[in-house]
Amino acid sequence: GAVVSQHPSWVICKSGTSVKIECRSLDFQATTMFWYRQFPKQSLMLMATSNEGSKATYEQGVEKDKFLINHASLTLSTLTVTSAHPEDSSFYICSARGGGGGADTQYFGPGTRLTVL
Amino acid sequence: AQTVTQSQPEMSVQEAETVTLSCTYDTSESDYYLFWYKQPPSRQMILVIRQEAYKQQNATENRFSVNFQKAAKSFSLKISDSQLGDAAMYFCAYRSGWGGSEKLVFGKGTKLTVNP
Repeated sequence: GAVVSQHPSWVICKSGTSVKIECRSLDFQATTMFWYRQFPKQSLMLMATSNEGSKATYEQGVEKDKFLINHASLTLSTLTVTSAHPEDSSFYICSARGGGGGADTQYFGPGTRLTVL
Repeated sequence: AQTVTQSQPEMSVQEAETVTLSCTYDTSESDYYLFWYKQPPSRQMILVIRQEAYKQQNATENRFSVNFQKAAKSFSLKISDSQLGDAAMYFCAYRSGWGGSEKLVFGKGTKLTVNP
């Protein structure tokens, strides 16, 4: 149990285009999902917290107009990187709260590697 | 604000041996959760073990166990009978308890190498 999927696993796009990343909880309902960014050899950096049916809460320094988050259902959250630039290239990871470990445990998706040319 | 410190950037262990990864944290809260996550080269974050602060008994999951010292704010991970598949980055994480922040506070990680 407690499986989280992400799609796509990797994406290459041209500068100025938008990219959408999907995060799904496959076998449990996730009222809260989280989006992280991870730079090479570093820890995870929380970008935003997403609650189903409400606006996401962004961490300080994260541009909400650039990183659009939608959590329309209890099993799906999406992150859209708008007008992507090379500096947005990174590894993006989502997590969902809930599942077998209890509501206090976050389960992570496999991540999405974004490369902006 | 809570902080999590992993003082060992890298550790190595021989296959079949035991290794302990250190984690300390700082908090003024009494109710919280602690986690160890493993991130292998695939970069999939995998939950290794979870500990509720109100439980005195140390959590155990097969070859993985923790030494939770609440007064010392220490939460070390012991891996017994190390296997090649244990090679990964290990992150210690803190989460507030009921009514507190849902966010995970991560340490910087410890890279574990398992030598055959």
